Amino acid sequence: GAVVSQHPSWVICKSGTSVKIECRSLDFQATTMFWYRQFPKQSLMLMATSNEGSKATYEQGVEKDKFLINHASLTLSTLTVTSAHPEDSSFYICSAPRGRRGYTFGSGTRLTVV
Amino acid sequence: QKEVEQNSGPLSVPEGAIASLNCTYSDRVSQSFFWYRQYSGKSPELIMSIYSNGDKEDGRFTAQLNKASQYVSLLIRDSQPSDSATYLCAVNGRGSTLGRLYFGRGTQLTVWP
Repeated sequence: GAVVSQHPSWVICKSGTSVKIECRSLDFQATTMFWYRQFPKQSLMLMATSNEGSKATYEQGVEKDKFLINHASLTLSTLTVTSAHPEDSSFYICSAPRGRRGYTFGSGTRLTVV
Repeated sequence: QKEVEQNSGPLSVPEGAIASLNCTYSDRVSQSFFWYRQYSGKSPELIMSIYSNGDKEDGRFTAQLNKASQYVSLLIRDSQPSDSATYLCAVNGRGSTLGRLYFGRGTQLTVWP
């Protein structure tokens, strides 16, 4: 079945540094990738939608200069958290739509900013 | 913001019982509905998808959709301890099968032996 490989699974970084999260579609072309964030005991909240070859669409309240999204190819979308702060600590998940087959999720990245 | 509401839980049932999870949604144009299971620290995994009114059965799971009432539910028969997880109801927006998903807050289910 369709697989989205997400890396890293977890990362700890110092406050003020940047972290890049990658999502690769392994056996299909992902023209769209949704990026979600999930805080403990809460549901998934959509941050942004990336489309191959064009600018990402950010949800209201999400800083596009802080969360940089790149979708340069049909198999790779990246999210870079710039100048991370402790409040950015969260579980980040990517997801690619598969039409009637639903959505394929990456395995998630646990980000801890210290 | 489209709203997806789930019964708050937590829900606790004994092994072998039926677990019933409910969800309502606000956007009448929604066409695709999903139930995901999420274990702690893991990403969601698809349990059921449903697109038409009525029931859809897959093994121990049955999804029910009533578009007139904007209601979708998930029944888990013969519940097992391994079913203990958070169940997320998700609805896609704008009636497109490629559109974004709106998630409920989730219902935590515990199945005790």
